[in-house]
Amino acid sequence: GDSVTQMEGPVTLSEEAFLTINCTYTATGYPSLFWYVQYPGEGLQLLLKATKADDKGSNKGFEATYRKETTSFHLEKGSVQVSDSAVYFCALSDRGSSNTGKLIFGQGTTLQVKP
Amino acid sequence: NAGVMQNPRHLVRRRGQEARLRCSPMKGHSHVYWYRQLPEEGLKFMVYLQKENIIDESGMPKERFSAEFPKEGPSILRIQQVVRGDSAAYFCASSPSTTGTDYGYTFGSGTRLTVV
Repeated sequence: GDSVTQMEGPVTLSEEAFLTINCTYTATGYPSLFWYVQYPGEGLQLLLKATKADDKGSNKGFEATYRKETTSFHLEKGSVQVSDSAVYFCALSDRGSSNTGKLIFGQGTTLQVKP
Repeated sequence: NAGVMQNPRHLVRRRGQEARLRCSPMKGHSHVYWYRQLPEEGLKFMVYLQKENIIDESGMPKERFSAEFPKEGPSILRIQQVVRGDSAAYFCASSPSTTGTDYGYTFGSGTRLTVV
């Protein structure tokens, strides 16, 4: 079945450092891909998305490009801030035969940014 | 326009009791999804409902768990005879349609269930 694999955390960076969180997927068909962010004690917020190959999603300085040839959707940010400390989830939409719209999530990567 | 509303935010139940979790979708959204997040893990799909219909319950345990989304009122996730392993965060998400999910859901803030 479809699956998402993220790099393990925690990832600890200094403020203004460059961030990459790797995400690869396995899917039949052409799913949409998402990054969600979860701040402590809160629900998930959609950070960015891409619906087809070579699309680049971007928001709040974060970017990710849908790479069909490498089945990847790595999250990047050029200069992280302390306020970016959170758990980041990569996800894909399951467009299997039922196409019910359910999402398949990776296990999450904790990012801690130190001043 | 209020977001997806879940209540309660925190719920403590003793083993063997029932837990009822409520989710009110965004206005105009008729599709509701429930996910469970166990400690240190990602979210796992449980069930997908439309008004008065369960569409996909492939992720829901066969026993003790049930879900409904009545014509009027919130969606309810019910867990009977809770056990310690049910302790988790339960998140609800809503969407106006299945094709809308290609653009991402809106999640609620979750209900954190603790079974003691």
